[in-house]
Amino acid sequence: GDSVTQMEGPVTLSEEAFLTINCTYTATGYPSLFWYVQYPGEGLQLLLKATKADDKGSNKGFEATYRKETTSFHLEKGSVQVSDSAVYFCALSENTGGFKTIFGAGTRLFVKA
Amino acid sequence: GAGVSQSPSNKVTEKGKDVELRCDPISGHTALYWYRQSLGQGLEFLIYFQGNSAPDKSGLPSDRFSAERTGGSVSTLTIQRTQQEDSAVYLCASSSTPTGTGELFFGEGSRLTVL
Repeated sequence: GDSVTQMEGPVTLSEEAFLTINCTYTATGYPSLFWYVQYPGEGLQLLLKATKADDKGSNKGFEATYRKETTSFHLEKGSVQVSDSAVYFCALSENTGGFKTIFGAGTRLFVKA
Repeated sequence: GAGVSQSPSNKVTEKGKDVELRCDPISGHTALYWYRQSLGQGLEFLIYFQGNSAPDKSGLPSDRFSAERTGGSVSTLTIQRTQQEDSAVYLCASSSTPTGTGELFFGEGSRLTVL
């Protein structure tokens, strides 16, 4: 079945450091790919998405590129801030048949001032 | 309210009791999802509704779990004869897109503790 694997956390960085959170997926079809974020004390919210190969999703300085050849959707940000401290979830959703969205285990990010 | 609303936000119950968790999706959203988030774990898919029907119930962990949706709106997740391993945060999400390309809008969850 479909699955999402993302790097284990926690990840601890200093402010202004470069961030990469790896995400790879397994899917039978051509899924849409997502990154969701859960800030402390808040619900999950969409950060960015890409619906087809080579698309780049971007938001709030974060970006991720849908790489079909490597089945990856790594999240990057050039300069993190303390306010980026949160749990990040990679997810996929098939566009046909079953429409459930499958999530990775989440990666907790701590950014130190 | 404009967002997904879940109740109760917190529920403590004794082992063996039944519990009902409620989700009120965003008005007009046809798709509704239930997930379970255990401590330190990712989101475990439970069930998906399109309108009032549930084309995918594959994630319900046992026959103690059931869910229904009425009027294409409010959904109730029922757990019978609760066990300690049912302790988790139960998240509801809704989407306006009947396929998998759309954004899920999440509620803040119902935290269930089974003593």
